[in-house]
Amino acid sequence: DFVLTQSPVSLPVTPGEPASISCRSSQSLLHSNGYNYLHWYLQKPGQSPQLLIYLGSSRASGVPDRFSASGSGTDFTLKIARVEAEDVGVYYCMQGLESPITFGQGTRLEIK
Amino acid sequence: EVQLVESGGGLVQPGGSLRLSCEVSGFSVNMFVMTWVRQAPGKGLEWISGISSSGVSTYYADSVKGRFTVSRDISINTLYLQMNSLTADDTAIYYCARRSKFASGASLDYWGQGIPVTVSS
Repeated sequence: DFVLTQSPVSLPVTPGEPASISCRSSQSLLHSNGYNYLHWYLQKPGQSPQLLIYLGSSRASGVPDRFSASGSGTDFTLKIARVEAEDVGVYYCMQGLESPITFGQGTRLEIK
Repeated sequence: EVQLVESGGGLVQPGGSLRLSCEVSGFSVNMFVMTWVRQAPGKGLEWISGISSSGVSTYYADSVKGRFTVSRDISINTLYLQMNSLTADDTAIYYCARRSKFASGASLDYWGQGIPVTVSS
């Protein structure tokens, strides 16, 4: 199975400041079609996970442009340009390249 | 509008059974791979099962293989998860989710609100 390792586990951020989360995969997520099958989710308190970023760097519909993501192969990063209070929750990376689907352990973003 | 609504959760004794349902609207379950993901209290997300768009193939995590069965009823656009031989380790919130097409990333792009299952005597 593909193992995804996120860091940090906890991320306290001052509103208006940037934030960055890393996700490393035990195997390359780059498909021969040129796309990385790595996705990012935010699970706000008491809610279901919501898709933020798909295929490594594409924002899902309705996601603010302060969210961006990059990376290829085994190393990926999610960035929030200026954190807002509504960004609080747990961020997960997920790989969709191979079955079984696997998730990172999560990164909890909190407001300082 | 796409909606997935789970039901059927609750409290069950160890060794018992439960059947979860996921009513889908806004798309047909026979057009997408459908999955079940669970989240134990205070823990992360765990994929546990999937069913192909054709319904022919089903997939399970090792943790539930042989105990859980995924199925669907196209006529009422509903996904099911039959859970047998439940243990305390199966206590979790269970989510159904749609998997997008592989060309679109094979992400889980729509999720239900989740349904809690508690296994306890």
